[in-house]
Amino acid sequence: EDKVVQSPLSLVVHEGDTVTLNCSYEVTNFRSLLWYKQEKKAPTFLFMLTSSGIEKKSGRLSSILDKKELFSILNITATQTGDSAVYLCATGGGANNLFFGTGTRLTVIP
Amino acid sequence: NAGVTQTPKFRILKIGQSMTLQCTQDMNHNYMYWYRQDPGMGLKLIYYSVGAGITDKGEVPNGYNVSRSTTEDFPLRLELAAPSQTSVYFCASTSETGIQPQHFGDGTRLSIL
Repeated sequence: EDKVVQSPLSLVVHEGDTVTLNCSYEVTNFRSLLWYKQEKKAPTFLFMLTSSGIEKKSGRLSSILDKKELFSILNITATQTGDSAVYLCATGGGANNLFFGTGTRLTVIP
Repeated sequence: NAGVTQTPKFRILKIGQSMTLQCTQDMNHNYMYWYRQDPGMGLKLIYYSVGAGITDKGEVPNGYNVSRSTTEDFPLRLELAAPSQTSVYFCASTSETGIQPQHFGDGTRLSIL
């Protein structure tokens, strides 16, 4: 059975801190791993990773995939209060859909 | 560009009532999905469609039905609403599953009382 496990479940940091969010997975016919940010409404797309060892960056956010160890990390440097959200990890496999983890709730305190 | 549009945004139903959640996308995507998200949980797939006229069950299909008569629209029908169906429902679409990211609507918050 496909499985995505995110850790930690929740995290509280101060502005300026650096955080690392973890996502491990077991999925049949792996094609991609995606990170989404969810504030009050719909998840918004951050990154899609398909190859091991290639870091994707967007501003203060970056992510990398390890297909041998079946995990990915999402790093956020110099956190801001606007980074407060639930971060969802999902894997795209052979079943025509995405399989989501339960998310990590990040709270950034001023 | 509107993307994925869901209506209504909020709804309260009584136990046993039925309703249809609407979802439409204007990106000409073949793949469309319905998810539900319970408090503190991730998204669970209810139904999905790989093109007009083709639908299939996801992880939690019981109590729901879908249809896909056009590329743009993918309505979700709740028959005989139950309190366990209280949730936030998200519709999503993509041009190629597993290769392109899914785009989500803003969700429908549904309460069954």
